[in-house]
Amino acid sequence: AQSVTQLDSQVPVFEEAPVELRCNYSSSVSVYLFWYVQYPNQGLQLLLKYLSGSTLVKGINGFEAEFNKSQTSFHLRKPSVHISDTAEYFCAVTMDTGRRALTFGSGTRLQVQP
Amino acid sequence: KAGVTQTPRYLIKTRGQQVTLSCSPISGHRSVSWYQQTPGQGLQFLFEYFSETQRNKGNFPGRFSGRQFSNSRSEMNVSTLELGDSALYLCASSPRDRGTYEQYFGPGTRLTVT
Repeated sequence: AQSVTQLDSQVPVFEEAPVELRCNYSSSVSVYLFWYVQYPNQGLQLLLKYLSGSTLVKGINGFEAEFNKSQTSFHLRKPSVHISDTAEYFCAVTMDTGRRALTFGSGTRLQVQP
Repeated sequence: KAGVTQTPRYLIKTRGQQVTLSCSPISGHRSVSWYQQTPGQGLQFLFEYFSETQRNKGNFPGRFSGRQFSNSRSEMNVSTLELGDSALYLCASSPRDRGTYEQYFGPGTRLTVT
């Protein structure tokens, strides 16, 4: 079984400041990793994914994440946030076994202040 | 391409009743997964359907069931509703081709059980 830990439930940050949202996972097999964003009263939108290859992946809206196998981490970063980035961010993992179920972290609420 | 659509968007039911939620995947996507999102338990996988067959199932009671039709549309049914079934129910679709693991989510159905 796999699990995902998002250490920060809330991250307040000022507009135009950089931000990092942390995600750690545990799994006994190879995994594929994702970050999703959820705006109020909406579903989940895929920000980026890591399947294989380069450990630094770039996503939409200026976000990027780095896969670190030795530290079992997949932290999300953005060099300069905007008010519109205020949302809930979820890290998710699925195993390389054909079972496609996503296991989600508990989410991090990013609050961008002016 | 149109995104994943879910109907209805909001639903209010009484304890003991049953409910059916509907999901239409992105055109060409053959896999549909369902997730439950609650403040207490977060995002949890319910089940996945592919080629009209249930492929995976999460840890939910038998009151939760689903099906998929030949056009890949899916329905989820919850019988004998309990107060704890109040949640946002999210549907996600995927091509489920070899090498694709990401899922695309609909806006969800907000179910309130009174």
